[in-house]
Amino acid sequence: EDKVVQSPLSLVVHEGDTVTLNCSYEVTNFRSLLWYKQEKKAPTFLFMLTSSGIEKKSGRLSSILDKKELFSILNITATQTGDSAIYLCAVSTGTASKLTFGTGTRLQVTL
Amino acid sequence: ETGVTQSPTHLIKTRGQQVTLRCSSQSGHNTVSWYQQALGQGPQFIFQYYREEENGRGNFPPRFSGLQFPNYSSELNVNALELDDSALYLCASSFLDRGPGYTFGSGTRLTVV
Repeated sequence: EDKVVQSPLSLVVHEGDTVTLNCSYEVTNFRSLLWYKQEKKAPTFLFMLTSSGIEKKSGRLSSILDKKELFSILNITATQTGDSAIYLCAVSTGTASKLTFGTGTRLQVTL
Repeated sequence: ETGVTQSPTHLIKTRGQQVTLRCSSQSGHNTVSWYQQALGQGPQFIFQYYREEENGRGNFPPRFSGLQFPNYSSELNVNALELDDSALYLCASSFLDRGPGYTFGSGTRLTVV
């Protein structure tokens, strides 16, 4: 059975801190790994990673995939209160592009 | 605005009843997937529809069924509701041949009492 594990489950940091969120996976027929941010309801897309070692960057967020060790990290630098959300990691598998999600990391950024 | 519209936003049903949730996919997307997100959990794949046919199914019983229409909109039907069906139901659309570039809707919050 496909499995995605995220850590930590929750995290409280002060504004300005840097955080690293972890995602490991065990799946068959891997296609890509995706990161989403979920604030209220709709998960919003952050990154899609398909190749090892190539960092994807968007502003203060960056992510990298290691297909040999089967994990990915999401980094957020200079955190802001608006970064408070649940961060979901998902792996796409098979021809139907089914997404298997982890349970998410709840990030709270305080002043 | 995400481009994927779900209705209704909230719903309360009684155990044993049936429910239909609706999703309008983003323009140009030909694939719709449904996910169930229980409180404190990540979304779980229910099934996917592509060109009006089921194109993959997760570990959900047959009382979860769906439809996709020629305009690519979709319905999720759940029969014989159980208390554990209480969850956020998310619809996601994509263009199958271009990879999993999903756009999620805001979901329907279903409460079964």
